[in-house]
Amino acid sequence: DVKVTQSSRYLVKRTGEKVFLECVQDMDHENMFWYRQDPGLGLRLIYFSYDVKMKEKGDIPEGYSVSREKKERFSLILESASTNQTSMYLCASTWGQIRNTIYFGEGSWLTVV
Amino acid sequence: GEDVEQSLFLSVREGDSSVINCTYTDSSSTYLYWYKQEPGAGLQLLTYIFSNMDMKQDQRLTVLLNKKDKHLSLRIADTQTGDSAIYFCAESMATGRRALTFGSGTRLQVQP
Repeated sequence: DVKVTQSSRYLVKRTGEKVFLECVQDMDHENMFWYRQDPGLGLRLIYFSYDVKMKEKGDIPEGYSVSREKKERFSLILESASTNQTSMYLCASTWGQIRNTIYFGEGSWLTVV
Repeated sequence: GEDVEQSLFLSVREGDSSVINCTYTDSSSTYLYWYKQEPGAGLQLLTYIFSNMDMKQDQRLTVLLNKKDKHLSLRIADTQTGDSAIYFCAESMATGRRALTFGSGTRLQVQP
């Protein structure tokens, strides 16, 4: 069964903390994505990666960085968390062409206080 | 530029049909998708349509694509309370960014 696993479902962090959100997929997919979901704004792409050590900025990369050292793992990093980064973060993956089915994790709810 | 728009909320009665609409701006879209998100969960692909098609039917779901008006719709026949969720439309392009662009999502509420 296809699986995209986000290690933390709920996190509460303080302003200025460094935050790591981890995502692992077990399908040998080359493409992985981080989206942010906010009410009324839908999903906005933060970063994506189409190969190990490769990354591309999405629509809202400011305040975020990513790491893809292994094919199965894609990490989202908030270098210095701010309250406006309180949101739901969704990881996704797919193989080959983007038209193939994209599989999503269950999401990580991050609250920055 | 890429822009996908949806209305935010739709309420229907159980047993009625639901129609969720979406407009997009990029004429080079190749595939258009409908995703469903249930409370507390990630997104699940419901169906998709290739841009050279006008219609696709899959059991209770009918997708209509008007390429001239850049309008996509999802019709759910005999809507059930289990259909209550947020529905996202999304587009992909033949060239350029290798990621989907999503709409804001439509929250469907089904009243018994």
